[in-house]
Amino acid sequence: NAGVTQTPKFQVLKTGQSMTLQCAQDMNHNSMYWYRQDPGMGLRLIYYSASEGTTDKGEVPNGYNVSRLNKREFSLRLESAAPSQTSVYFCASRDAVSRGPHQPQHFGDGTRLSIL
Amino acid sequence: DAKTTQPPSMDCAEGRAANLPCNHSTISGNEYVYWYRQIHSQGPQYIIHGLKNNETNEMASLIITEDRKSSTLILPHATLRDTAVYYCIVSRYSNDYKLSFGAGTTVTVRA
Repeated sequence: NAGVTQTPKFQVLKTGQSMTLQCAQDMNHNSMYWYRQDPGMGLRLIYYSASEGTTDKGEVPNGYNVSRLNKREFSLRLESAAPSQTSVYFCASRDAVSRGPHQPQHFGDGTRLSIL
Repeated sequence: DAKTTQPPSMDCAEGRAANLPCNHSTISGNEYVYWYRQIHSQGPQYIIHGLKNNETNEMASLIITEDRKSSTLILPHATLRDTAVYYCIVSRYSNDYKLSFGAGTTVTVRA
């Protein structure tokens, strides 16, 4: 029962490099989310996908792109990494369809990204 | 979404109940109260949520006041593994609802 799986768990990049963070869920959830968490702060929403085929910006989308590859997978891409993007990235999913729109989000264990 | 206010930190003795307060005085009728926690270096973990009735599950109980302006999360028998940051979040429900995490309450359970 994997839930939400994020890969990689750790990554170090140089400024200007590109990278894709992967997220997959096996709960048949329709909505998926990407957050970042900086030291001592709460989570901030980067992008979300309410359903397969749709994506929308969150609070802090600049410098990122996303792809909802299929119902299971939602990837986050950094095209040209900057030191300000050093953070812990969390992916989440939820089922807003079969059990109602108030269902909670379920999170992965994060990707710790350092950009030098 | 309504804003929430939580104490920045609190201590609790192992084996005792931990009562975590949250104020959400501007909550509106279609907004739920959600509680999550984040244990160090892990992803946030969903605990419980409710609209207006008290709720209980295997992890905790949620008590919402009648006017819905505040709530209390109760961990009935705190253990050292319950040491975490606890987030109270109020969010209206919709197909694309988003969670806004504040600073939360850092709960330290002491032996």
